[in-house]
Amino acid sequence: GAGVSQSPSNKVTEKGKDVELRCDPISGHTALYWYRQSLGQGLEFLIYFQGNSAPDKSGLPSDRFSAERTGGSVSTLTIQRTQQEDSAVYLCASSVGDRGYTFGSGTRLTVV
Amino acid sequence: AQSVTQLDSQVPVFEEAPVELRCNYSSSVSVYLFWYVQYPNQGLQLLLKYLSGSTLVKGINGFEAEFNKSQTSFHLRKPSVHISDTAEYFCAVTSPGQGNLIFGKGTKLSVKP
Repeated sequence: GAGVSQSPSNKVTEKGKDVELRCDPISGHTALYWYRQSLGQGLEFLIYFQGNSAPDKSGLPSDRFSAERTGGSVSTLTIQRTQQEDSAVYLCASSVGDRGYTFGSGTRLTVV
Repeated sequence: AQSVTQLDSQVPVFEEAPVELRCNYSSSVSVYLFWYVQYPNQGLQLLLKYLSGSTLVKGINGFEAEFNKSQTSFHLRKPSVHISDTAEYFCAVTSPGQGNLIFGKGTKLSVKP
């Protein structure tokens, strides 16, 4: 596609439920990143996929967070047993190499 | 480890005035530097980037930034701002082959008439 597409754009969930956030990167972009943007916290790196290599999961805040990338394209970020502190905007980006990153519009997650 | 410091969390300025948004980074290796802009309820849009070569980088919407290796800075400037420049601006750093971007906490630019 022309840009990075994320869905849903907004998600409200009850505490304790699982949620899945989806990211469609730009076609041909080999790298895909997930970030979390919380109020007053800036952008926090979560996870990075590069081609067929093992993902860099060093930014995942707890074992309730996981992500996968199927076929080197679409990625899903899953948050299990959501907590109120998980409320944030989750941003996905894709790139070819490390010289330019294109971001999606994000998914705003609200845990009530 | 790399880090980015954006010294001002908020910058108010009048329309048509010049503005400088400050960014300092910390890295023990060579760097790529980026400025992104985020308008309300939108994702991040790339303003400009420094990869190599000329230290003065020009971007979209009349913005420019200068890479200063000795001062480990990459300040963003615009000679005359518009109301439409009101947004949050993020400075970010990475290194060749590293992958993920490290972001500063952002600077909210507020342009008043």
